[in-house]
Amino acid sequence: KAGVTQTPRYLIKTRGQQVTLSCSPISGHRSVSWYQQTPGQGLQFLFEYFSETQRNKGNFPGRFSGRQFSNSRSEMNVSTLELGDSALYLCASSIGQGRTDTQYFGPGTRLTVL
Amino acid sequence: AQSVTQPDIHITVSEGASLELRCNYSYGATPYLFWYVQSPGQGLQLLLKYFSGDTLVQGIKGFEAEFKRSQSSFNLRKPSVHWSDAAEYFCAATDSWGKFQFGAGTQVVVTP
Repeated sequence: KAGVTQTPRYLIKTRGQQVTLSCSPISGHRSVSWYQQTPGQGLQFLFEYFSETQRNKGNFPGRFSGRQFSNSRSEMNVSTLELGDSALYLCASSIGQGRTDTQYFGPGTRLTVL
Repeated sequence: AQSVTQPDIHITVSEGASLELRCNYSYGATPYLFWYVQSPGQGLQLLLKYFSGDTLVQGIKGFEAEFKRSQSSFNLRKPSVHWSDAAEYFCAATDSWGKFQFGAGTQVVVTP
C-alpha cells in the first residue's frame, strides 16, 4: 500500500505571496491532518479534515486554510506569506475513527519564505 | 490543560549502549500513546503505540516502551543502539476526540 505523499517537496516563495501544498493520504484513510514543524516551536497542529469537513483546528491565523476533496486528498493554503512561515509542513493520514486512530506521516514539504 | 512532556531535549549515547527516552503526559483520562522517530529531512515514522492491555509494548527497530499509569509515563527503550538510531524522537498522545498532541522531541546522538 502506498504511503502518504506530499507535493511539492520543496518550495521557495517571497513574502506576501501565497502557496498551496498538497497531500494524498493512504488509500482508505479519510482523515488528513496538517502540522507545522519549526526548530523553535516544534510540531504544531494546524487542522484536521475528515470527509471533506474540518473536524479539528489548531491556533493558527486565518491565513492558514485547508480543504479536503471527495477522494480524501487535501490541500493546505497559506496566504500573504511571512518570513515566520518558513517551516516543514507535514501531512498525516488516518482512518478517522477518532481516539484509536494512528497517524501516518508523509515526508513533508519544506517551505522557505524569503 | 492536556500536555505531553519530553524532559530531555538532547541525549548522547555510545553505540551499543542502552537508550531510554522519557515521556510524561497530563490528561484527564489515560490517553492513547505513541512514539515516532524522525530522521533528518524526513517525515515521522511510527515506532509503536499503546492503547490498552499489556503495559510493555514492542515496536519496530528493536524499540519497546513501558506504560506506567502511576507515573503518567510512557518511556521508550532500546537495549543496544546502532548508529542508524540517531534521529529525533517524538512522544504523542490522543485525547477522546482523536486530536494528536506531540512532545517537543528528544534529539538522539550516537557516538562511536
